[in-house]
Amino acid sequence: AQTVTQSQPEMSVQEAETVTLSCTYDTSESDYYLFWYKQPPSRQMILVIRQEAYKQQNATENRFSVNFQKAAKSFSLKISDSQLGDAAMYFCAYRSAETSGSRLTFGEGTQLTVNP
Amino acid sequence: EADIYQTPRYLVIGTGKKITLECSQTMGHDKMYWYQQDPGMELHLIHYSYGVNSTEKGDLSSESTVSRIRTEHFPLTLESARPSHTSQYLCASSEYYRDPTEAFFGQGTRLTVV
Repeated sequence: AQTVTQSQPEMSVQEAETVTLSCTYDTSESDYYLFWYKQPPSRQMILVIRQEAYKQQNATENRFSVNFQKAAKSFSLKISDSQLGDAAMYFCAYRSAETSGSRLTFGEGTQLTVNP
Repeated sequence: EADIYQTPRYLVIGTGKKITLECSQTMGHDKMYWYQQDPGMELHLIHYSYGVNSTEKGDLSSESTVSRIRTEHFPLTLESARPSHTSQYLCASSEYYRDPTEAFFGQGTRLTVV
């Protein structure tokens, strides 16, 4: 079974600075997807960024980028130029591409605070 | 913006009552999920469905049941609510299998059983 671990329950960053959220996972599969989801206080989860395991290039979406280290099974999220609206709970998630109808496995989450 | 809706958003109910949490999506997604989330905690999958008349138990044991009679609708039912059922329940949907599109989440139902 796959597991996802986020070792930072809480993180804080000053507005306009950069913060990195850590995520590690364990799997025996070679083909999978990794995601970062954001859950603001309104509670609706939204996708921030996704990475396909067979792509070596790190995914980037505006101020959000990942550092995907497949051999180390690490998938960190970097938020540049942090904004107050970035404050939320962030979840790392794994989804197999090898198993038919696979579903998401989530980490424990990291609560990000952005200080003005 | 995601077209997946959950009702009610908040529910306070007495022990022993039967409740149904509604979840509907208008995206035509085959796959739908129910997650349970305690405050500040990770999401645990309790039910999922791959399509009409398909339902499966998730990773976390739950006394709730689900049904999938229509593609767009995936209600969750508790026959007799207990305080231990107090939690946040999140519904999600996604397209099938290898398509790596995201799972879309509803806004959640915060259930309190007193």
